[in-house]
Amino acid sequence: EAGVAQSPRYKIIEKRQSVAFWCNPISGHATLYWYQQILGQGPKLLIQFQNNGVVDDSQLPKDRFSAERLKGVDSTLKIQPAKLEDSAVYLCASSFTSGGGDEQFFGPGTRLTVL
Amino acid sequence: AQKITQTQPGMFVQEKEAVTLDCTYDTSDQSYGLFWYKQPSSGEMIFLIYQGSYDEQNATEGRYSLNFQKARKSTNLVISASQLGDSAMYFCAMREWNYGGSQGNLIFGKGTKLSVKP
Repeated sequence: EAGVAQSPRYKIIEKRQSVAFWCNPISGHATLYWYQQILGQGPKLLIQFQNNGVVDDSQLPKDRFSAERLKGVDSTLKIQPAKLEDSAVYLCASSFTSGGGDEQFFGPGTRLTVL
Repeated sequence: AQKITQTQPGMFVQEKEAVTLDCTYDTSDQSYGLFWYKQPSSGEMIFLIYQGSYDEQNATEGRYSLNFQKARKSTNLVISASQLGDSAMYFCAMREWNYGGSQGNLIFGKGTKLSVKP
């Protein structure tokens, strides 16, 4: 079974530029999550999708971050314009349902450096 | 207040020995789940083990087991017979949910870096 795929793996941009990340979850997984992991910290949830609807985006900085999950499969996360403090690893995860004990499977992450 | 506290930024263990990684949590909910993830230097988060708040037995999964003390709000991860490949960051996480079925986010601690010495 293929895991969660993410691209690119690494991205370096200058502040005020825009960037987009792509995620393909495990086939059949209805729930998709985007996390931000700043160096030295645990991941922090940015947004959760159930199929193609947003369940929770309370921690997404909506003035610069946006995400979509068209057709309830792939998802993209965009930052526009990027700030220095956006330097982090962006992790995508998926789970079969949104059940409390449901295991989340993580992708390899995209490491973003903003100069 | 921190929801998840991991007080050990780094730990060393000799190969083949057991090691315990500490985690305490803060919640007023009766229903919640506790998770441990491993993050090697390659970056992906690997699920290790899960404990539900109503589970009476400590969870075990191969070389991983949990010392779940509900009254103390702690869920320590025990890795037995450490291997060199166990060197990684380990994250404790919690998810709260209420009887209505709505679920909170998965909240992670800051992690513990485990180094296994040959």
